[in-house]
Amino acid sequence: DAGITQSPRYKITETGRQVTLMCHQTWSHSYMFWYRQDLGHGLRLIYYSAAADITDKGEVPDGYVVSRSKTENFPLTLESATRSQTSVYFCASRGQGQISGNTIYFGEGSWLTVV
Amino acid sequence: ILNVEQSPQSLHVQEGDSTNFTCSFPSSNFYALHWYRWETAKSPEALFVMTLNGDEKKKGRISATLNTKEGYSYLYIKGSQPEDSATYLCAFRRAGGTSYGKLTFGQGTILTVHP
Repeated sequence: DAGITQSPRYKITETGRQVTLMCHQTWSHSYMFWYRQDLGHGLRLIYYSAAADITDKGEVPDGYVVSRSKTENFPLTLESATRSQTSVYFCASRGQGQISGNTIYFGEGSWLTVV
Repeated sequence: ILNVEQSPQSLHVQEGDSTNFTCSFPSSNFYALHWYRWETAKSPEALFVMTLNGDEKKKGRISATLNTKEGYSYLYIKGSQPEDSATYLCAFRRAGGTSYGKLTFGQGTILTVHP
């Protein structure tokens, strides 16, 4: 059971470059999320999606773009990377229903450094 | 913006000590409270999902309690072991609206267990 995978796991990029972080889940979960993790802030929601072609902003969306053309994929794009976007990015998903909808599953994270 | 606070921010204990952390969250529009264990370079691992006031959950040496009326949850670790060293995250899920099951995370408690 492959679960939820992120790529790349580690990336160094330069300021101003466009970067895309990929997220793929094999459970056909409806809901998908992108979080960033920074010291002292816990996990903050960037964008989320309730289904293919339905996305919405989270707490810290500025500088990011998402798309969800297929249920299983939820890429996150940094249009013009800035140093403040150096962070660990986590993709997550959850199913629907009372039982499976209660647990959110996380990918292993993408460590991004913007120099 | 929902306020989810965890305390303490970090904790150092000796092997064999028992310890506990606190998570406080809004007491209105409660749906669920999640606890996650996160080791660096790995995905956050779900420990508990708590939905009812007075809930107590247990998993091995780790247990949690929930008070939705006053807006807090405690996580307890009995007889801490070095492998318990991790960041423990709590996350609040709000009821209703278009929340799509978004979680609002606390900043985490970093536990270090010394042999």
